Amino acid sequence: DIQMTQSPSSLSASVGDRVSITCRTSQSISSYLNWYQQKPGKAPKLLIYAASNLQTGVPSRFSGTGSGTDFTLTISSLQPEDFATYYCQHSYSKMFGQGTNVEIK
Amino acid sequence: QVLLVQSGPEVTKPGASVKVSCKASGYTFTYYGLSWVRQAPGQGLEWMGWISAYNGNTNYAPSFQGRVTMTRDTSTTTAYMELRSLRSDDTAVYYCVREAETAGTVYFLYWGQGTLVTVSS
Repeated sequence: DIQMTQSPSSLSASVGDRVSITCRTSQSISSYLNWYQQKPGKAPKLLIYAASNLQTGVPSRFSGTGSGTDFTLTISSLQPEDFATYYCQHSYSKMFGQGTNVEIK
Repeated sequence: QVLLVQSGPEVTKPGASVKVSCKASGYTFTYYGLSWVRQAPGQGLEWMGWISAYNGNTNYAPSFQGRVTMTRDTSTTTAYMELRSLRSDDTAVYYCVREAETAGTVYFLYWGQGTLVTVSS
């Protein structure tokens, strides 16, 4: 089974900061990697699919890079509405990473 | 628009079973697979399994194999997830999710509102 490891598990940042979250897989998954945002009490929302494709309607400050085993979600300038938990997901196995909680510093 | 409307909250006892429904609308039901994802309080997302709305084929996550059954009714465009032999650590919000696919990548685009299942004696 493919293992997915997100880092960090949590981070504190300020509005306007550039934030990066990493997802590492135990074996190569090509670009079959999705990213989701979840706010408390809400269902997750798709941000990025196939590692780098921005879902329609998602602000351009979100971007995804990577292939193989190492992937990164970057928020170029953190906005107040971006404080949430972020999950990566392997498209084929449908398994999720453990999540990264982005908190206000 | 695509809508997934789930059944209401459930409170049940250890050892019992629960069956959650997910009524789909706004698209051709048999064209897309549906997954079930759960989230225990304060925890991350856990994929439970998938059902083809077209032919009913299923694929369950190993940790739920033998304890979960996913079915669908094409006449009512409703999917069901039954979990048996419930334990207190099955207390969670359960989501149904409709998949989408682009260039070979499957992703979870549409989510139900979630159903809270509480297992308590």
